[in-house]
Amino acid sequence: QVQLVESGGGLVKPGGSLKLSCAASGFTFSDSYMSWIRQAPGKGLEWVSYISSSGSTIYYADSVRGRFTISRDNAKNSLYLQMNSLRAEDTAVYYCARDGFNSFDNWGQGTLVTVSS
Amino acid sequence: QSALTQPASVSGSPGQSITISCTGTSSDVGSYNLVSWYQQHPGKAPKLMIYEGSKRPSGVSNRFSGSKSGNTASLTISGLQAEDEADYYCCSYTGSSTFYVFGTGTKVTVL
Repeated sequence: QVQLVESGGGLVKPGGSLKLSCAASGFTFSDSYMSWIRQAPGKGLEWVSYISSSGSTIYYADSVRGRFTISRDNAKNSLYLQMNSLRAEDTAVYYCARDGFNSFDNWGQGTLVTVSS
Repeated sequence: QSALTQPASVSGSPGQSITISCTGTSSDVGSYNLVSWYQQHPGKAPKLMIYEGSKRPSGVSNRFSGSKSGNTASLTISGLQAEDEADYYCCSYTGSSTFYVFGTGTKVTVL
């Protein structure tokens, strides 16, 4: 079955960096579009970034453009999110999700990123 | 790109039907039949309930249905059950560089 497992979350100071990973299994990762979606504590969902199956097409939310970088390694069945210049408002649970039919049909369990001094 | 507008809360008694609205603009909801709906129970990851406006993934109860009129999409839950108590979010493809936008979320309470 489809499985997505995020890792790399933790506590980081404002202005710091963190790299999230998402390990995929149970489907053909190299054929799949992927996204990162986040949810601040007690708040709603916010789409963060999208990457096409080959990695050639990438989109970002305005709130993270220029600070976050999405990437993937199809040989390792892995998705990444490099987060730089982190701010308190980036504190959230970050989910990786498979993008099928312009919807998110499978989600990981999420990894918590806390930005605080 | 502003978040799609959903009512903060909707409630109903077991067996009743409820409808959650999701209002966007002519640039997102109104332009594409690519609205999806997600159910999220506390402490859990969201689950896809409806895609492409009205299609149900395998395994999702047919008590859940989706529709759209103009710039507003809707999710209807019929035969409300206790297990339907959760937060619900809509999401639309935007066709722009911001690609996707989520709704503000609706808390469904089963009375």
